[in-house]
Amino acid sequence: DAMVIQNPRYQVTQFGKPVTLSCSQTLNHNVMYWYQQKSSQAPKLLFHYYDKDFNNEADTPDNFQSRRPNTSFCFLDIRSPGLGDAAMYLCATSRADVAGGREQFFGPGTRLTVL
Amino acid sequence: QQQVKQSPQSLIVQKGGISIINCAYENTAFDYFPWYQQFPGKGPALLIAIRPDVSEKKEGRFTISFNKSAKQFSLHIMDSQPGDSATYFCAASFITGGGNKLTFGTGTQLKVEL
Repeated sequence: DAMVIQNPRYQVTQFGKPVTLSCSQTLNHNVMYWYQQKSSQAPKLLFHYYDKDFNNEADTPDNFQSRRPNTSFCFLDIRSPGLGDAAMYLCATSRADVAGGREQFFGPGTRLTVL
Repeated sequence: QQQVKQSPQSLIVQKGGISIINCAYENTAFDYFPWYQQFPGKGPALLIAIRPDVSEKKEGRFTISFNKSAKQFSLHIMDSQPGDSATYFCAASFITGGGNKLTFGTGTQLKVEL
């Protein structure tokens, strides 16, 4: 089945220790998104890639970076995690054409704990 | 401002009843309005979506009503079942940077009791 896969599902890191979260997709979608979802809150868009073009949200902290080496993979790097960065990180994909579906397909998320 | 307001925050409905969740938006640039369902520990999954040129869309037990002039839309779940117990997010989006930028509402935690 075509899907969005996130690894690891649970990640524990120490305060200030860099961490990388991974997302892969078999849908062949050209847009990939990263969201941060804190407990009992709505997902908040951090940034997205349209093909190799990176689109950052204005309020995304510099501490968050992303890489997309190819169509299938996208990484979220948190350079110096703080306690406030503990959250579920969701990866999503979509097609880019407006005439087609606008649906975003979400992965299961990676729950990040910062000690 | 790109806010989407959602109410109620939580909702308890008896099995077989109708669940109604309301949302309102401000930015008239939004042109796609989906509803997502999220179970604990899972990513959101699309339930149903509507575009502003349509006033109502029905898929099975789920119906979206859309009022463009009032900038409001709502989700109705008919014959609510315990399996519908989840968190529901409305969202609004427009295309930017090649992507479909979603702004989510604050979420409604629905519990369907037997």
